[in-house]
Amino acid sequence: EAGVAQSPRYKIIEKRQSVAFWCNPISGHATLYWYQQILGQGPKLLIQFQNNGVVDDSQLPKDRFSAERLKGVDSTLKIQPAKLEDSAVYLCASSLSQREGTVGQYFGPGTRLTVT
Amino acid sequence: AQSVTQLDSHVSVSEGTPVLLRCNYSSSYSPSLFWYVQHPNKGLQLLLKYTSAATLVKGINGFEAEFKKSETSFHLTKPSAHMSDAAEYFCVVSDPGAGSYQLTFGKGTKLSVIP
Repeated sequence: EAGVAQSPRYKIIEKRQSVAFWCNPISGHATLYWYQQILGQGPKLLIQFQNNGVVDDSQLPKDRFSAERLKGVDSTLKIQPAKLEDSAVYLCASSLSQREGTVGQYFGPGTRLTVT
Repeated sequence: AQSVTQLDSHVSVSEGTPVLLRCNYSSSYSPSLFWYVQHPNKGLQLLLKYTSAATLVKGINGFEAEFKKSETSFHLTKPSAHMSDAAEYFCVVSDPGAGSYQLTFGKGTKLSVIP
């Protein structure tokens, strides 16, 4: 079974530029999550999708961050414009359902973003 | 609201000696608790989970954790450390009984293993 795929693995941009990250979850997983992991901290949930609908985006900085999962499969997370404090690893995870997600999620390798 | 506190940011042990990574949690209902491991430049991997069954949970690579409700703790242990155990470990809580499907991560404990 293929795992969660993410690209790119690394990205360096200047502040005020825009950037997009892509995630392809495990086949058949209805729930998809984006996390932000700042150096020295645990991952923090940014947004959660159930199929192509948003379940929770309460911690997403909506003035600069956006995410979509149009066909209920892969997802894109965008930052525009980027700030220095957005430097972090962006993790994508998936689970069969919301309830299954509470007993374990499958994580991708992450995208390491550096904003200079 | 649910939360976890990992009591040590860094733990250093010699190869072959026991490992203890400490975690306390807070939740309003019956929590599910997890330990995840993150090796450098790798994704997070689930080590073990507690979901209201047996309080002593065995995971992969010889790790185990014990859920102690009276102490609100879920400490991770391993009898004998191996060099390959060097990584960052995260204690995680969810509280589905309280209607929360979110995973809340601790800040992590970096485990170093000295040859």
